[in-house]
Amino acid sequence: AQSVSQHNHHVILSEAASLELGCNYSYGGTVNLFWYVQYPGQHLQLLLKYFSGDPLVKGIKGFEAEFIKSKFSFNLRKPSVQWSDTAEYFCAVNGNNRLAFGKGNQVVVIP
Amino acid sequence: EAGVVQSPRYKIIEKKQPVAFWCNPISGHNTLYWYRQNLGQGPELLIRYENEEAVDDSQLPKDRFSAERLKGVDSTLKIQPAELGDSAVYLCASSLDGGVKNIQYFGAGTRLSVL
Repeated sequence: AQSVSQHNHHVILSEAASLELGCNYSYGGTVNLFWYVQYPGQHLQLLLKYFSGDPLVKGIKGFEAEFIKSKFSFNLRKPSVQWSDTAEYFCAVNGNNRLAFGKGNQVVVIP
Repeated sequence: EAGVVQSPRYKIIEKKQPVAFWCNPISGHNTLYWYRQNLGQGPELLIRYENEEAVDDSQLPKDRFSAERLKGVDSTLKIQPAELGDSAVYLCASSLDGGVKNIQYFGAGTRLSVL
């Protein structure tokens, strides 16, 4: 079975600060990795994805994530956050045709 | 292009009552998913449909939950009877197909409160 771990469930930071959210997964085979974001009052939407190739992937709104196979990690980063980045962020893995989500990170950006 | 549409957005019922949720996927999407999201948790898959066939329902509590996707388009998820522990957000998602690289598009969800 596959599983996803996200730490630091609640993150509070000021505008212009850098953000890094950790994601570790457990699955023995080839995985496809995703970060989804849910802005307040909105539905879950895809932020970025990794299937293969360059392990550093770029998504919308200046976000990027790095896949490190040896560490089973897919951490999300943004160099300088904005107030509008306040949202809940979910890491997800699909290795066996079923999308498994982590518990999410609630990120609050203070203006 | 319209996204995944769910209704109702909110539902409050008393325990032991039945409840139903409706989902209309993005046009042309063959695969439809129902998830349950408990407070403080990520979504968990309940059932996946490929067209009108339920291909993964292993996590659906079949004693009280049922789902259908007639004609392979919209879908209904039912709980009968509801229990206090069923309070959660029920999410519907759709994708072009059910492959491991598919992008799932989510609806706004139905927030169920069981009193």
